[in-house]
Formats: sequence, structure tokens, C-alpha cells
Amino acid sequence: GAVVSQHPSRVICKSGTSVKIECRSLDFQATTMFWYRQFPKKSLMLMATSNEGSKATYEQGVEKDKFLINHASLTLSTLTVTSAHPEDSSFYICSAYLNYGYTFGSGTRLTVV
Amino acid sequence: AQSVTQLGSHVSVSEGALVLLRCNYSSSVPPYLFWYVQYPNQGLQLLLKYTSAATLVKGINGFEAEFKKSETSFHLTKPSAHMSDAAEYFCAVSEGNNAGNMLTFGGGTRLMVKP
Repeated sequence: GAVVSQHPSRVICKSGTSVKIECRSLDFQATTMFWYRQFPKKSLMLMATSNEGSKATYEQGVEKDKFLINHASLTLSTLTVTSAHPEDSSFYICSAYLNYGYTFGSGTRLTVV
Repeated sequence: AQSVTQLGSHVSVSEGALVLLRCNYSSSVPPYLFWYVQYPNQGLQLLLKYTSAATLVKGINGFEAEFKKSETSFHLTKPSAHMSDAAEYFCAVSEGNNAGNMLTFGGGTRLMVKP
């Protein structure tokens, strides 16, 4: 079946540095991808919708300059957390739409120290 | 606007017992409804989805859900719980069935299965 590959699965970074998370659609083209953030024991909150070849659409309250999204090709979307702070520590999950359904990546656990 | 409410953030059942996870939704248009399962530190796996066809939807791992428009509900059930069913379950709603429609998730229900 359709697979979305997300890397890295875990990353620890120092406060003030930037971290890039990649989300690739394998064997299909994803014109739209979604980025979610999940706090411990909480539900998924949509951060932004990533559209291939155009600017991402951010949800209210999400800082677009902090969470940079690039969707330069039909198979790759990236989320860069810039100048990371400990409060950015979270579980980030990407998703792509395919054939009347949504496929999710395996998630990235970001820890900022 | 769309929203999802999952009653019960934690549900505990004995192995072999019936599993019932509740989900109520609100939507301004006929909804598309989904149930996902999440194991620790993993992404979401689709259990089943309702897309305006049969109201009783069968999914993987023996789960099923029934769409009841009059009750705006989409409860998830499984006749007999397995230890391997212990996980977090999310109900989600979408107001369309194409790439531009976002999913809105419920708060999740953690299912615990006792031996």
C-alpha cells in the first residue's frame, strides 16, 4: 500500500539550532501534505497544509517563520523548526492524501535541550 | 466547521471483552469519518473509514464502526479484545473527500486491555 516515509524518527538538538524533518511519499505523488504536532497524551493538531509548488497554508497560531515548510516536489515535503527552543519539543507527524484516504508518516520525536 | 468528541480519554477492558470506543462529530456537510490507531512513538494507522456508502463499516483487526446520522455518532467496536489492541485510538472527520480537505481529530482514547 501507499507509504509515507518520515525521517528522522528521533532527533535531539541544542536550543537555538534548526532541525529539518523530511516526509516522502513512496510510489505515489502527493500534491498536498499535512503537518501535525502532537503533545504528550494529546491529540494531533494540524499545523499547516503543504502544497507542491506553492506556499504552505498555516493554521491560526502557528508561526510560519519558525516552522518553515517546503514542498518542492510531488514526493517530498520538509518541515524545518528554526531556532528551536525546549517548548518546541514534541512529536511531529506528516500525512499525505491518496485515494480517498490519508496516509501518515511514522512521526518524528523532537527533543530540544 | 467540523469537530470530533471522543467520550472517555481512557477505556479499560478485560481480554476477550467487548471494546466500545465512542465518537461523536459535528459537521456542516455530510461527513467522512475515520478511525485511526496509534502505537507508542509511531504514526497513525487507518482502521476504517466511512465515505457515504454502507453505514456499517468493517475495518482491520476485527474492528467495525457504525455511522448513525441521527445520533451524529461513529462508535468503534470489537467483539473480543486482544492484548495487542492496547493503543491510542483517534476518531477523525473530514468535510470532503479530496486532497484539499483537512482532518480534524478527536482527543483520542487510550485503550487498556487487562489479562
